Order: sequence, then C-alpha cells, then structure tokens
Amino acid sequence: EDQVTQSPEALRLQEGESSSLNCSYTVSGLRGLFWYRQDPGKGPEFLFTLYSAGEEKEKERLKATLTKKESFLHITAPKPEDSATYLCAVQAHGGSQGNLIFGKGTKLSVKP
Amino acid sequence: NAGVTQTPKFRVLKTGQSMTLLCAQDMNHEYMYWYRQDPGMGLRLIHYSVGEGTTAKGEVPDGYNVSRLKKQNFLLGLESAAPSQTSVYFCASSYQGSGREIDQPQHFGDGTRLSIL
Repeated sequence: EDQVTQSPEALRLQEGESSSLNCSYTVSGLRGLFWYRQDPGKGPEFLFTLYSAGEEKEKERLKATLTKKESFLHITAPKPEDSATYLCAVQAHGGSQGNLIFGKGTKLSVKP
Repeated sequence: NAGVTQTPKFRVLKTGQSMTLLCAQDMNHEYMYWYRQDPGMGLRLIHYSVGEGTTAKGEVPDGYNVSRLKKQNFLLGLESAAPSQTSVYFCASSYQGSGREIDQPQHFGDGTRLSIL
C-alpha cells in the first residue's frame, strides 16, 4: 500500500536554529513528490516539486532534497514567519492523474 | 488574480440536510479536485475531474456527488449530511504537464469549514 509518513509531527525552533523535516514514502513507483506549506485557516500553498532521486530545489530559507525512499525539507536560519504546517505528498506510478497521497504534516513553530 | 475560490467559507447544517459547495478557478486548469481534511488524518481525495463533463471517485467518495458542467467550476454535493462529514473541504486545480513533469502542482482554495449537527 502506498504510504507517506512525515516526522516529526511537531517541531519547535528558536529563530536562527536550522533543522530538517522528513518525509518517508512507500510507493510502487514515484512520479513526483510535492511540498506544501499550510497556514492556519488557509489552503496548502505549493512550495516544490521533485521528480527524481538526487534532485534539489531551493527557495529563500528552504531547500528540498529527494532520495529513493525519503525527502527532506531543510530550513536554514528560520524566522517566525516560517511557522506553519508543512505537508508532503506523492504521486505514484499507476495512480490516476492527480491522485496525491498526503502525509499528515509537520507543524513548525519558530520562536523569536 | 483570484486563483481558486471556494464558497461558502463556513456552513452549519443539520443531519439530513443537503447542500452544495462551489469551487471556481480562473487559471484555465483542466484538472480539479475535492479533498477533506480532518485532524490527524491528512488530506484525503473525495472526487476529481480531468476535464469538463468528466468526474471520478477518489479515496473517500461515499456520501458525496460532484459535477463539472463548466471547465472553471467544480461542485461538491452532500445529499443527506451526516455528522461524520463534519470537516474542512478543500478544492484544488492543476494543469496537465507533459513528459517527466506530467504531474503539475495542485493549487488550493482556502477551504469551506462545514459542521453537521
């Protein structure tokens, strides 16, 4: 069964304290892995797409990486405005178009 | 540029009542989706559409119906609401890529918070 597991469930950081969020996946074949950010009361906001192992994408303080079994979202010198829930989702081979499998998310809190 | 717009934003229903949630997108996307998000469960796909006039079942379709009469609109209906359908409902849309990047990111609305008493 295709599955996505995110860890930790919650992460509290001090401003400037770098860390990483993990997304482990088990799928029959990966077509794409997506990272989203979700603020309270809002819909998920797209961050990155990764298609193959070894691929990396960066945006401001965020960097996403991908291996054959997991993806990491690295946060460098986070600021309070980076506080949000980060969602990981995968699209598997054999799945219908757009049928993403989402993890439960990591809730990140950055304190000043 | 509105993106994906969902109406209403909040609604309270009584068990057995019916209602329709509306999703509209102005990005000319072919694909549209309806999800529900429950605490501790993550986002789960209810129904989706790959084009005008077509719909398909997702992971949790029971108790819901959908229609896509126009490319820009995707409607989610609850015929007889049940307390188990209390949730936050998100609509999303995406365009079709090609080749290796056939799966393009989905763009989400801000949700409809639905409570069923």
